[in-house]
Amino acid sequence: DQQVKQNSPSLSVQEGRISILNCDYTNSMFDYFLWYKKYPAEGPTFLISISSIKDKNEDGRFTVFLNKSAKHLSLHIVPSQPGDSAVYFCAARGDSNYQLIWGAGTKLIIKP
Amino acid sequence: EAQVTQNPRYLITVTGKKLTVTCSQNMNHEYMSWYRQDPGLGLRQIYYSMNVEVTDKGDVPEGYKVSRKEKRNFPLILESPSPNQTSLYFCASSNGDGTGYDEQYFGPGTRLTVT
Repeated sequence: DQQVKQNSPSLSVQEGRISILNCDYTNSMFDYFLWYKKYPAEGPTFLISISSIKDKNEDGRFTVFLNKSAKHLSLHIVPSQPGDSAVYFCAARGDSNYQLIWGAGTKLIIKP
Repeated sequence: EAQVTQNPRYLITVTGKKLTVTCSQNMNHEYMSWYRQDPGLGLRQIYYSMNVEVTDKGDVPEGYKVSRKEKRNFPLILESPSPNQTSLYFCASSNGDGTGYDEQYFGPGTRLTVT
């Protein structure tokens, strides 16, 4: 059973609008969450992270929100740009051996 | 340029023919790891290494071997590949101790097909 779920395999957003990518998790012991971005034929690259003691972390156009009671986090990209078209992975720090547990990814397409 | 390199990038092989995928990083990182990515499953960890001569199993280690004789290199060995090991493989390294708080740097990936 997947502990980290990204239920939307893909998302299409108009350039300049807000992109919202969602991630749900099942283990309340997770204490740290990360978002990675992946372009075709490249490895994932780190984007932004958040600790479970916070509910928001912002870095330029990227903001991650954490709702611990709902076991839900989201990544907001404002404004969306064509270069944001990529696959976005959500990952959580596991509580057993501290390794990362990854979601399946959401493919974001920014339309001009 | 700081990077993680993997070779080969693409490989088609047959069942049972031993193969090695190399991984090298030039950032002097202590921690290195191998992942496989399959559709609908995200990245799953195969093996990781906290330092030279220290390796440990991840979530899906069956059918794989690794070694860490030097800090910069972390090869992935498939002694007898099977079709269910057809996947996209990523090597990663980080400056931290592998506790999950540290940013990981990924290689470009190796797409392996086993027929």
